[in-house]
Amino acid sequence: AQTVTQSQPEMSVQEAETVTLSCTYDTSESDYYLFWYKQPPSRQMILVIRQEAYKQQNATENRFSVNFQKAAKSFSLKISDSQLGDAAMYFCASCTGTASKLTFGTGTRLQVTL
Amino acid sequence: GAVVSQHPSWVICKSGTSVKIECRSLDFQATTMFWYRQFPKQSLMLMATSNEGSKATYEQGVEKDKFLINHASLTLSTLTVTSAHPEDSSFYICSARDAGAGVNSPLHFGNGTRLTVT
Repeated sequence: AQTVTQSQPEMSVQEAETVTLSCTYDTSESDYYLFWYKQPPSRQMILVIRQEAYKQQNATENRFSVNFQKAAKSFSLKISDSQLGDAAMYFCASCTGTASKLTFGTGTRLQVTL
Repeated sequence: GAVVSQHPSWVICKSGTSVKIECRSLDFQATTMFWYRQFPKQSLMLMATSNEGSKATYEQGVEKDKFLINHASLTLSTLTVTSAHPEDSSFYICSARDAGAGVNSPLHFGNGTRLTVT
């Protein structure tokens, strides 16, 4: 079984600043994938970034990057140069190579202030 | 990009009636679709995995006779909430994986359906 834990129910960041959202996970599988999804008020799930567990290099997508610590089973998301449009719920998720179904964390609500 | 259309986006029904929610992959084929449920301010909980041409796989605690899933084609899965009760009120989201993109390609999500049972 997989579990995903997000210990920060809410976070706040000033516009143009950097914020890091935490996520830890647990899995017995060796082949797995990790994701960060964004859910704005529209409730549409938007993929932010994806990390393959077998890759040591941290994934990066423009202003979004992850810090993947495999031994610690940690997968944090860093948002640089925060923008008002980044305000949303952020969900960390995992899936195994064989199951292909996502297990989500409880989410972190990010507020972006002026 | 790959688009998943979910319909309706919002439905209100009376207790005891059944409601059908459709999930369509518009520009790709999906042998597997997933149905999630999200309560207010909570996470997405997987309800079931919908498999084209075969029975759905339900997660523990989800009543298969209550939540009927049909995946009759490569582009359409339906979730029917039978004999709905107020406690079934929730936000239901489907997701689909492009069958041609590999088993670990990203999922594409529908816009969700808000169900209110009165």
